[in-house]
Amino acid sequence: ETGVTQSPTHLIKTRGQQVTLRCSSQSGHNTVSWYQQALGQGPQFIFQYYREEENGRGNFPPRFSGLQFPNYSSELNVNALELDDSALYLCASSTGTSGGYTDTQYFGPGTRLTVL
Amino acid sequence: DQQVKQNSPSLSVQEGRISILNCDYTNSMFDYFLWYKKYPAEGPTFLISISSIKDKNEDGRFTVFLNKSAKHLSLHIVPSQPGDSAVYFCAASDSGTYKYIFGTGTRLKVLA
Repeated sequence: ETGVTQSPTHLIKTRGQQVTLRCSSQSGHNTVSWYQQALGQGPQFIFQYYREEENGRGNFPPRFSGLQFPNYSSELNVNALELDDSALYLCASSTGTSGGYTDTQYFGPGTRLTVL
Repeated sequence: DQQVKQNSPSLSVQEGRISILNCDYTNSMFDYFLWYKKYPAEGPTFLISISSIKDKNEDGRFTVFLNKSAKHLSLHIVPSQPGDSAVYFCAASDSGTYKYIFGTGTRLKVLA
């Protein structure tokens, strides 16, 4: 039990729609990262937030955006959904106290997004 | 360009024996490595990590070995138990970024 929760568990959308996925980090964890895991692949880094500011971004287009709130919750927003956006979306939280990269990231259970 | 590779998609091991999962990386800037275990319908669970200043780290039944010259790390599970059956991901990071780069995973099946 990592203390990281995500909602919803599953979601079905149609192409062109917008979606918001939510994550609640462990208390005291100032850093949240979002990953996309396609079937048969490892998680791919989307972006990271530290104390409500974007701290780094992977190779994802601007229609993927995020927010982090002071209460350890965060959101991933995806606009203009495409079929290839169908995947498991994972958030991971870490303390962010040691400078970042050696802070172990603890994952939530994920949200399974299906785009039709 | 796959910077972290797990070349064995699956592995079967008898209960009580050793499981060895392998991972290769190409980016010499990576200096922190982790192993995660993933059960179906759950998120990855952290198992063990190692920084590049070490070549071995142990935690109970789990040991990670790092060979920097070969850009190779391995996870040893001794003894293997049926509850270890899961998909194992290795991940790598470097001090210049905060993102983890994951391999594609190895599905371990421990046979009772």
